[in-house]
Amino acid sequence: GQQVMQIPQYQHVQEGEDFTTYCNSSTTLSNIQWYKQRPGGHPVFLIQLVKSGEVKKQKRLTFQFGEAKKNSSLHITATQTTDVGTYFCAGRLLGRSQGNLIFGKGTKLSVKP
Amino acid sequence: DAGITQSPRHKVTETGTPVTLRCHQTENHRYMYWYRQDPGHGLRLIHYSYGVKDTDKGEVSDGYSVSRSKTEDFLLTLESATSSQTSVYFCAISESNHGAGANVLTFGAGSRLTVL
Repeated sequence: GQQVMQIPQYQHVQEGEDFTTYCNSSTTLSNIQWYKQRPGGHPVFLIQLVKSGEVKKQKRLTFQFGEAKKNSSLHITATQTTDVGTYFCAGRLLGRSQGNLIFGKGTKLSVKP
Repeated sequence: DAGITQSPRHKVTETGTPVTLRCHQTENHRYMYWYRQDPGHGLRLIHYSYGVKDTDKGEVSDGYSVSRSKTEDFLLTLESATSSQTSVYFCAISESNHGAGANVLTFGAGSRLTVL
């Protein structure tokens, strides 16, 4: 079935280094959402991208949606220990009026102080 | 966070016993979902509801049933629990579920189920 692939599965960085996670879909997406889950917590919504080529920023986080609406990325500049957690992308399939989100498997980020 | 609560938060049960997890929301959102989260698999949709008594299957629905008799409550039942159903279960809600600008999911705190 349709899949949303997310890489890498794990990323270990030194505090202050940058971090990027990538999300790719085999089919065109209506929109894509990003969630963060802290260790032991629940996923929390970060942002939604809808338009082709859209770029949004939240402080040190930059989110991009590809021109073909099949891929997306989340980039964190100068990571901090508070960025630790698992980042999930979730793509909504085009044309699915009562469909649902397809989650990537997540990228688990650890930050060494 | 929005008013969404899950109960129980932790449960240990034995293979073959029935288990019901409850999700309760105070947001009056139309859509409710049950996901399970397992290492290496991310979040997988079990069932979802788009209104009272209106439910549909997700990608991993086998062995699970759901019911929604009131807007605020969405129950997930394991008729006969198996060890493969050991997982963390998350309930989520959303205001709408369609359109290019579909609303986002708000998750509950999760219910950790262990089936021995």
